[in-house]
Amino acid sequence: NAGVMQNPRHLVRRRGQEARLRCSPMKGHSHVYWYRQLPEEGLKFMVYLQKENIIDESGMPKERFSAEFPKEGPSILRIQQVVRGDSAAYFCASSPGSPHEKLFFGSGTQLSVL
Amino acid sequence: DAKTTQPTSMDCAEGRAANLPCNHSTISGNEYVYWYRQIHSQGPQYIIHGLKNNETNEMASLIITEDRKSSTLILPHATLRDTAVYYCIVRPPDDKIIFGKGTRLHILP
Repeated sequence: NAGVMQNPRHLVRRRGQEARLRCSPMKGHSHVYWYRQLPEEGLKFMVYLQKENIIDESGMPKERFSAEFPKEGPSILRIQQVVRGDSAAYFCASSPGSPHEKLFFGSGTQLSVL
Repeated sequence: DAKTTQPTSMDCAEGRAANLPCNHSTISGNEYVYWYRQIHSQGPQYIIHGLKNNETNEMASLIITEDRKSSTLILPHATLRDTAVYYCIVRPPDDKIIFGKGTRLHILP
C-alpha cells in the first residue's frame, strides 16, 4: 500500500508565477489535510478537505491560495502570483476519515520562490 | 493555538529510555492525546495516541495521568535515529491536528 504521495518534491517558481502542489492520499483515504512549514518554524495547518468538499480552511491565507480535492484525482494546493514569503515546505496528510484515525503524512513539497 | 506545553529541548543517552513530558491541563473529555515526530524536514510520523488508558505499541509507550492533565511519551531504548522534534497534540474527534513547537530531542552517542 503506497503511502501519501506528494509531487513535485521540489518546485522553483519566480515571483508572480503560479505554483501547483499535488497530493495523492493513501488508498481508501477520503480526508486530506495541508500544512505549511516555514524555515525553522513549526507546522501550520492550512486546510482540511474531504472529497469535493472543503471542511475547514481556517488556516488558508485569504488571497492567492486555494485547495481542492476532486472526486477523481489528487488534491491540489494552488498558489497564485507567488511571492518570496511563500517559500516553504508544504506537507499533505491523509486519513480514512473515521474518528480518532491517525494522519499519514507525505514527504512534502519544497517550494522556492526566486 | 496548541493546547499543550512541552519542554523546548531534551537530551537522552543512546540506549536509555527517553521520557518526554507534556502538559495539557485544559483537555476536554472527548479529546485524545496524540504524539507525532518530525525527523529533520521529513513529513511528520505518527507515534501513538490515547484517551484515558496507557497505551503501548512497537514504537513507544504513552502514560496519561488519571486526571488527564498531563502525559509522558516513553521511547524505551533510544537510538540516534530517534533524534527528532516530538509533538504532543490534543485533538477532538473528526478535527484537524494543530502542531505546537514540540520538544527537540537529541540522542547522544
